[in-house]
Amino acid sequence: GGIITQTPKFLIGQEGQKLTLKCQQNFNHDTMYWYRQDSGKGLRLIYYSITENDLQKGDLSEGYDASREKKSSFSLTVTSAQKNEMAVFLCASSTGDERLFFGHGTKLSVL
Amino acid sequence: TQTVSQSDAHVTVFEGDSVELRCNYSYGGSIYLSWYIQHHGRGLQFLLKYYSGNPVVQGVNGFKAEFSKSDSSFHLRKASVHWSDSAVYFCAVTNTGYQNFYFGKGTSLTVIP
Repeated sequence: GGIITQTPKFLIGQEGQKLTLKCQQNFNHDTMYWYRQDSGKGLRLIYYSITENDLQKGDLSEGYDASREKKSSFSLTVTSAQKNEMAVFLCASSTGDERLFFGHGTKLSVL
Repeated sequence: TQTVSQSDAHVTVFEGDSVELRCNYSYGGSIYLSWYIQHHGRGLQFLLKYYSGNPVVQGVNGFKAEFSKSDSSFHLRKASVHWSDSAVYFCAVTNTGYQNFYFGKGTSLTVIP
């Protein structure tokens, strides 16, 4: 089996700050995803990547950048944190058989 | 527009009861439907999926789901729940290119021991 590791687990930032979230997977999966989870709103796709150096925008990409420099890692940057923003960011990877494997999430709080 | 609707935000049952968690979707083309479970503070875990064939699919831990094209539904069921089944359940739909998985808002299941 494999694992998806997200760092940090908790991230506290200041308004206007640039914040970076990291994700590593050892499944050797091609496709990786970043989702944002807000209470009562389900999951919304921010970015995904089908291979190294590929980036595809999801429905919620505005205000975020992403980077896939290696097959095993996918990072997400909040370009300017919004005051009182609070959400969980979930990284996932895909086997190619329409199943997603998720990390445990990074919980973001902005003061 | 692709949508996934989970009509119940919260469901509470007693241990040993049966449960049905409802999912309706609106999506064009060939699709995959799936269910995921999220325990508190964790990421989502895959339960089961459907693409074609037998409309009833079996998943892990006694869960099964039934696809209905006429109702655009993919409801999740379990005959006898355990307290450890308490979690949030998400229904998801994706197309054959699996470039985006659209998730419902989730149903929080509470099982009272």
